[in-house]
Amino acid sequence: KNEVEQSPQNLTAQEGEFITINCSYSVGISALHWLQQHPGGGIVSLFMLSSGKKKHGRLIATINIQEKHSSLHITASHPRDSAVYICAAPLFQGGGADGLTFGKGTHLIIQP
Amino acid sequence: GAVVSQHPSRVICKSGTSVKIECRSLDFQATTMFWYRQFPKKSLMLMATSNEGSKATYEQGVEKDKFLINHASLTLSTLTVTSAHPEDSSFYICSARAGLVNEQFFGPGTRLTVL
Repeated sequence: KNEVEQSPQNLTAQEGEFITINCSYSVGISALHWLQQHPGGGIVSLFMLSSGKKKHGRLIATINIQEKHSSLHITASHPRDSAVYICAAPLFQGGGADGLTFGKGTHLIIQP
Repeated sequence: GAVVSQHPSRVICKSGTSVKIECRSLDFQATTMFWYRQFPKKSLMLMATSNEGSKATYEQGVEKDKFLINHASLTLSTLTVTSAHPEDSSFYICSARAGLVNEQFFGPGTRLTVL
């Protein structure tokens, strides 16, 4: 089974700072997910990517399939970005149709 | 974009009762739905995979007789927590996948508290 590791677990930064959250996984996969979870618990899917880089607004996600590593970046961070960011990968190698296994999440706080 | 709803969003029940949670794909047909559970300050964990018209596949350690899953249509899956106990208190989230697409769309979750 795939194992997903995230770092850092907690991150506090000032408004405007560039944020990087890292994710590594143990077996080859078809796609990796980045999710956002707010204090109420609801999950929002930010990205699903299988190669290269994706950008949505101030969020950028990159993945290196060979190194089994992905990063989530937030540019010009804002207090409303405060949330838990979670990376998730298929449970098994390849595994596009599988359920996901999740990292422990990065608890991000952006201070004004 | 694809929308998945869950109902109820929050439920409090007495120990021993059964609770049904619904997961609906609102604007697409979900061939596969997944049920996840999140205990406080823990990671989300896959409980079971539900394919329309067939029996659910449960992860190791998840009791199929306690967590009944029904996926009777392409837009609805239900999770019934039978004879709930306080240790079943958790955040339950479903996700749905359409056809051969790898992307999963998540519901907003259901917070279950068993007294």
